[in-house]
Amino acid sequence: AQSVTQPDIHITVSEGASLELRCNYSYGATPYLFWYVQSPGQGLQLLLKYFSGDTLVQGIKGFEAEFKRSQSSFNLRKPSVHWSDAAEYFCAGGGDYKLSFGAGTTVTVRA
Amino acid sequence: DGGITQSPKYLFRKEGQNVTLSCEQNLNHDAMYWYRQDPGQGLRLIYYSQIVNDFQKGDIAEGYSVSREKKESFPLTVTSAQKNPTAFYLCASSMFVGRRETQYFGPGTRLLVL
Repeated sequence: AQSVTQPDIHITVSEGASLELRCNYSYGATPYLFWYVQSPGQGLQLLLKYFSGDTLVQGIKGFEAEFKRSQSSFNLRKPSVHWSDAAEYFCAGGGDYKLSFGAGTTVTVRA
Repeated sequence: DGGITQSPKYLFRKEGQNVTLSCEQNLNHDAMYWYRQDPGQGLRLIYYSQIVNDFQKGDIAEGYSVSREKKESFPLTVTSAQKNPTAFYLCASSMFVGRRETQYFGPGTRLLVL
């Protein structure tokens, strides 16, 4: 079955430091992968998506993600974190009729 | 300004009561979805609809019902059969149903049981 796993439940990072969130997928065919961000009590906002082609994908808010087929990973990165990046981040894989979500990673930003 | 609206933001349910969550989109999308979010579990699909007057069960449809009478609207009813309804409910839409389709989400409704 297709699935997405986020190994880290919670990450704390200092403002201005770099951030990397891990996502592993299990798909037989070419995966269609997404990263969403959710602020407390809000809906999900799309950060970026990967369908095919260039394995380094640029998104909004200064985020990027790299697709690595050999490692079955689609990790999200940001070079310098801002306090407003504190949120929950979800990796998701496109299925025939639904998105399969990871459990999410909560990011805390300390001053 | 295109988007997805959900109402109400908070909803309280009494024992034995059915409640309905509203979802409206003006993106001209054919497909709409309802997800349930519980802490530490990601999002789980309740129902989805590919087109007007058609809908399919997702992974956790028991205790829920939906209708799709208009393209713009996909209301979700939480029935008294749903024994653990307290959760955050998210509505989404996409142009079509499929692996390549990007889903866009509304702001959510938090359902609490009195």
